[in-house]
Amino acid sequence: DGGITQSPKYLFRKEGQNVTLSCEQNLNHDAMYWYRQDPGQGLRLIYYSQIVNDFQKGDIAEGYSVSREKKESFPLTVTSAQKNPTAFYLCASRGGLDYEQYFGPGTRLTVT
Amino acid sequence: AQKITQTQPGMFVQEKEAVTLDCTYDTSDQSYGLFWYKQPSSGEMIFLIYQGSYDEQNATEGRYSLNFQKARKSANLVISASQLGDSAMYFCAMRGPWGQGGKLIFGQGTELSVKP
Repeated sequence: DGGITQSPKYLFRKEGQNVTLSCEQNLNHDAMYWYRQDPGQGLRLIYYSQIVNDFQKGDIAEGYSVSREKKESFPLTVTSAQKNPTAFYLCASRGGLDYEQYFGPGTRLTVT
Repeated sequence: AQKITQTQPGMFVQEKEAVTLDCTYDTSDQSYGLFWYKQPSSGEMIFLIYQGSYDEQNATEGRYSLNFQKARKSANLVISASQLGDSAMYFCAMRGPWGQGGKLIFGQGTELSVKP
């Protein structure tokens, strides 16, 4: 089955630690996205990538970093510089001719 | 700047009845796309329906239809014959400029509860 996987579903970290969230897709999509969702809010774009080895900052990129070494993978690192990292993180991808984005199941990160 | 506004934080509907979820948008672009996504309690975002700004007819997908009124800048979602499984958060979104990777700009969402 084609789709997007994110792991783990729940992640707990101590303040000051970097943490990497995984996102893998087997849809052969060129574009991939990372969004953040806070309680009672819509999604906000962190980073996006339209092609391997290239990525761009979204609206709230501070304190985050990404890489795109393979078409299938777009990991997100939440660094210690992110002031409020506790949130729900969603990865998405889009094919070249598609308008809609397909989302993964999300990772809920809690930092204490 | 592009913006999506959903003014109904929560809605209730009786099972088997129709419900309309409101969405207004703001953009200066002539070409844009509007989306509705469903988010159940599990958290995954499920694509429901898409409307392009140049589409003359309202989009429909099964029990979902999008009431697109361009002059009013509104893109309301109509769910017919509500089912208990329709209880979820619903988000209206707009595609941002292709120069920004086609990112989605989301509204705050509407929580729909379907009563038996």
